[in-house]
Amino acid sequence: GESVGLHLPTLSVQEGDNSIINCAYSNSASDYFIWYKQESGKGPQFIIDIRSNMDKRQGQRVTVLLNKTVKHLSLQIAATQPGDSAVYFCADGAGNTGNQFYFGTGTSLTVIP
Amino acid sequence: ETGVTQSPTHLIKTRGQQVTLRCSSQSGHNTVSWYQQALGQGPQFIFQYYREEENGRGNFPPRFSGLQFPNYSSELNVNALELDDSALYLCASSGPTSTDTQYFGPGTRLTVL
Repeated sequence: GESVGLHLPTLSVQEGDNSIINCAYSNSASDYFIWYKQESGKGPQFIIDIRSNMDKRQGQRVTVLLNKTVKHLSLQIAATQPGDSAVYFCADGAGNTGNQFYFGTGTSLTVIP
Repeated sequence: ETGVTQSPTHLIKTRGQQVTLRCSSQSGHNTVSWYQQALGQGPQFIFQYYREEENGRGNFPPRFSGLQFPNYSSELNVNALELDDSALYLCASSGPTSTDTQYFGPGTRLTVL
């Protein structure tokens, strides 16, 4: 079956540094990925997405890189701020019918002031 | 804010009871997906409704059922509650196609005693 895993369950970074959160997926047919941010007591918040016809996509302070060869994607956050502290999930949108998203267990990011 | 709302915010039930959770989708979205998120885990797909029809189901027993109404709001019903059903229940809306990006509501925290 489908599996999505993040490499590190926790990550601590100094305020102002760049953060990199990694994610591996198992389904070579996966063609759509989303990164979500979840703060305590809230639902996941959309950050950025990428489709398999791209290997890089940039947003505001965030960049997602996709390496289909090794089935790996990463989320880079530039100049990390205290408000970035949260759990980050990568979601794989392959599914059998393309409408089911598979989530990893998440990486908890702590920003140290 | 995604425009996706859920009610109630919190709920406490006892084993064997039945529960109904509600979700209002974002304006313009015709698809609602339901997820279960256990503590410390990523969301797990329960099922999806597209234009009032079930459009995909995850690995959950039949006592998990749902409905979608003409205004695209949705209900999740769980019968014969078990202790392991204690979790955060999330709905996500998307559209106009069922495979578009999913935007999450704040969730309903269900506790089964």
